[in-house]
Amino acid sequence: DIQMTQSPSSLSASVGDRVTITCRASQSISIYLSWYQQKPGKAPKLLIFATSSLQSGVPSRFSGSGSGTDFTLTISSLQPEDFATYYCQQTYSIPFTFGPGTKVDNK
Amino acid sequence: EVQLVESGGGLVQPGGSLRLSCLASGFTFSSYEMNWVRQVPGKGLEWISYIDTSVNIIKYADSLKGRITISRDNAKNSLYLQMNSLRAEDTAVYYCARDGRILHGAFDIWGQGTMVTVSS
Repeated sequence: DIQMTQSPSSLSASVGDRVTITCRASQSISIYLSWYQQKPGKAPKLLIFATSSLQSGVPSRFSGSGSGTDFTLTISSLQPEDFATYYCQQTYSIPFTFGPGTKVDNK
Repeated sequence: EVQLVESGGGLVQPGGSLRLSCLASGFTFSSYEMNWVRQVPGKGLEWISYIDTSVNIIKYADSLKGRITISRDNAKNSLYLQMNSLRAEDTAVYYCARDGRILHGAFDIWGQGTMVTVSS
């Protein structure tokens, strides 16, 4: 099975900050990496698919990059509605494993 | 509106069974591969099962293999998860999620989730 790790596990940031979250796979997953945002009591929401493609309706301040084993989610200017937990997921092979999550809260 | 609506969760005793349902609307359900994902309260996301469009390929997480069965009825736009021999550690919110086809497997539509509580 492919293991996914994320760093940091949590971070505190302010509105307007640039935020970067890292995801690492235990083996190469090509570009089969997605990012999700989850708010308390809600279902996850797809932000980025195929490493760097923005899902329809997602603001352009979200971007993704990487390939192989190392990936990054960047929020260029954090907005109040962006405080949430972010998960990466590989869909290269089953089981489709998720990272443990990164909680972004208000500094 | 494209949506998935889960049902069937609730309180069940250890060793009991539950059948979760996921009703799809707003899209051609039979054309999409589907998944179940669960989340223990306060914890992360765990993929647990996959089914392809024609029920030729079915996959399970090792942690649940032998205790769960995924199925679908394309005529009823419905996905199911039969859960048996339930344990306290199966207590979680269970989500159905659509595989986004051209999205390199990303899960583009999620249901609201249904809570399963295993307790005596």
